[in-house]
Amino acid sequence: QVQLVESGGGVAQPGGSLRLSCAASGFTLSTFGMHWVRQAPGKGLEWVAVIWYDGTYNYNVDSVKGRFTISRDNSKNTLFLQMNSLRVEDTAMYYCARDGLAPRAGCDKWGQGTLVSVSS
Amino acid sequence: DIVMTQSPDSLAVSLGERATINCKSRPSVLYNSNNKNYLAWYQQKPGQPPKLLIYWASTRESGVPDRFSGSGSGTDFTLTISSLQAEDVAVYYCQQYYSTPYTFGQGTKLEIK
Repeated sequence: QVQLVESGGGVAQPGGSLRLSCAASGFTLSTFGMHWVRQAPGKGLEWVAVIWYDGTYNYNVDSVKGRFTISRDNSKNTLFLQMNSLRVEDTAMYYCARDGLAPRAGCDKWGQGTLVSVSS
Repeated sequence: DIVMTQSPDSLAVSLGERATINCKSRPSVLYNSNNKNYLAWYQQKPGQPPKLLIYWASTRESGVPDRFSGSGSGTDFTLTISSLQAEDVAVYYCQQYYSTPYTFGQGTKLEIK
């Protein structure tokens, strides 16, 4: 069945870096757009980034522009989020999610998330 | 950026009663060329990722019970649970897919009265 498994979270210092991965299985990653969404402890959902199915287009929310980079390796069925210049306010659970089967129909599959904590 | 505002922030409803959650977008999320509203609803239970309930404002995702329904167009949308069950206790979010960034509402916490 469809599965998304995030990894790479952990504790980082302000100004540090982390690279999140999202391993996809049970479907062909190369045919789906993919997203990262985060949730700070006790807070609501914040959409972070999207990348098209073929990697030709991506977009980041303003709060992470110039610091985070979304990418993918379809040959390895893996989505990435490179996080540089981390800030305390980046502390959150990070979820990867798959585009729905129809265009702009929400995200129909989600991973369980990986926790990022930024603290000195 | 499109701003999504949900109301109320929290809601308590008796078992078997109707629950209604509202979501406003500013500006509209109606794509005129195909008359689709790029608006989705999610349910999130504690310790779990979000679950897609409704997309295109009113299309129920496969496997979602038919007590969940979505309505509205343009800037005003509603998620309705026709007969609240205990397992529906969760936080509900709307999200727009009209333009990036794909913003979420702040969430509505639904509890049993």
